[in-house]
Amino acid sequence: AQSVTQLDSHVSVSEGTPVLLRCNYSSSYSPSLFWYVQHPNKGLQLLLKYTSAATLVKGINGFEAEFKKSETSFHLTKPSAHMSDAAEYFCVVSTGGGSNYKLTFGKGTLLTVNP
Amino acid sequence: GVTQSPTHLIKTRGQQVTLRCSSQSGHNTVSWYQQALGQGPQFIFQYYREEENGRGNFPPRFSGLQFPNDSSELNVNALELDDSALYLCASSSIGQAQETQYFGPGTRLLVL
Repeated sequence: AQSVTQLDSHVSVSEGTPVLLRCNYSSSYSPSLFWYVQHPNKGLQLLLKYTSAATLVKGINGFEAEFKKSETSFHLTKPSAHMSDAAEYFCVVSTGGGSNYKLTFGKGTLLTVNP
Repeated sequence: GVTQSPTHLIKTRGQQVTLRCSSQSGHNTVSWYQQALGQGPQFIFQYYREEENGRGNFPPRFSGLQFPNDSSELNVNALELDDSALYLCASSSIGQAQETQYFGPGTRLLVL
């Protein structure tokens, strides 16, 4: 079985300060891990993905995430928050293919950026 | 990109609904998700080359079709109040776990 736990339902930061969104996963197989962002009334946009290559993954808009197998974590970070980063963020784990394909989303973390 | 229609829909309990999705050109895999208010999307099923390729914990009254022309449908029979949600489709190229999925803007369904 696989699961994703996003440790914070809501994170609030000031513009220009670092962002940390935490994600822990559980998977019986070698997972692929993703972070997606969802702005209000918009579809989900891929920020970055991990697929068993480099453990530090760089994404769009200055975001990055580090895969730590020993901690089963895949936390999302950004050095300096911008007002446009305010959105809902989802950590996603996927495994398998064919009829065994499974994709599981976390419940989301709402990021608020204060001026 | 991925498009979905309609954008909004209102149905009553017991009715049937069909939601449509147009995949990104060249993609042969489409996945459907249900996102209830305040929740993360839940995987309904995936279609690869017009056949079901994986399914989440949804009853058989949720069914799908994928057509050769990059379009697909999600059908829900005997609608229940709890089916009210945002329905997202996503397309990708080979239907494997490591593939990036590209999402449409969703169809918001309200069941009264």
